[in-house]
Amino acid sequence: AQSVTQPDIHITVSEGASLELRCNYSYGATPYLFWYVQSPGQGLQLLLKYFSGDTLVQGIKGFEAEFKRSQSSFNLRKPSVHWSDAAEYFCAVDNYGQNFVFGPGTRLSVLP
Amino acid sequence: NAGVTQTPKFRILKIGQSMTLQCAQDMNHNYMYWYRQDPGMGLKLIYYSVGAGITDKGEVPNGYNVSRSTTEDFPLRLELAAPSQTSVYFCASSYKTGTEAFFGQGTRLTVV
Repeated sequence: AQSVTQPDIHITVSEGASLELRCNYSYGATPYLFWYVQSPGQGLQLLLKYFSGDTLVQGIKGFEAEFKRSQSSFNLRKPSVHWSDAAEYFCAVDNYGQNFVFGPGTRLSVLP
Repeated sequence: NAGVTQTPKFRILKIGQSMTLQCAQDMNHNYMYWYRQDPGMGLKLIYYSVGAGITDKGEVPNGYNVSRSTTEDFPLRLELAAPSQTSVYFCASSYKTGTEAFFGQGTRLTVV
C-alpha cells in the first residue's frame, strides 16, 4: 500500500528564517505528489504539485519543493518564513489515480 | 466560485443517532472523496467515487455509507453514531487522474 511519512510532527522557526519540511513516500510507479496547507478551522489549500519533468516545482506563497526519486522524497522549502505561514502542512501522493494518500502532517509555528 | 460545499459546518450527535453530511461540487469533477481528520493522524480516506453510480471503500469505511446518484453530490451517511466518529470530515473532488483535489471547509462532528 502506498504511504507518506512526514517525520516532523511540529517545527518552530523564527520569522525570516528558512524552512524545510520533509516528506517521504512509498509508491510503486512514477508518483504524482502534492503539498497542501491547512490554516486553523479551514480546509486544505494546494501549495504545489509535481507530475513530471523539472524536479524543482514552484508553488504559491513563495514555496517550492524538490522531487528526488533516489531518496523517495518531496521536501517543501521556503527561503524566508512569514508569520502568516503558521499552519499545518500535508504531503500527499496520488494513489494510482483512484484517490490520495496523505501524510500525518507537520505543524509549523513561527516566532516573531 | 462555490467549489466544494459541505453542510453542516458543525454538528453534535448523541450516541446511536444518524445523520447525513452533505457535499456538493460545481466543477463537474468526476472524482469525489470523503476523508476524516483526527489530530496527529492526517487524513484518512473513508469512501471515494470515480463517477456517478460508482463508489468504493477507503481505509476506514466502517460505520459509514455513501451514494453518488449525480456528478455533483456525494453525501456521507453515519448510522448509529459512536464516539469514535468524533472527527472533522472533509469532502474533496478532482477532475481526473493525476490532478489535484479541491477541498470543502469541513464538518466538525462531535458524538456524545
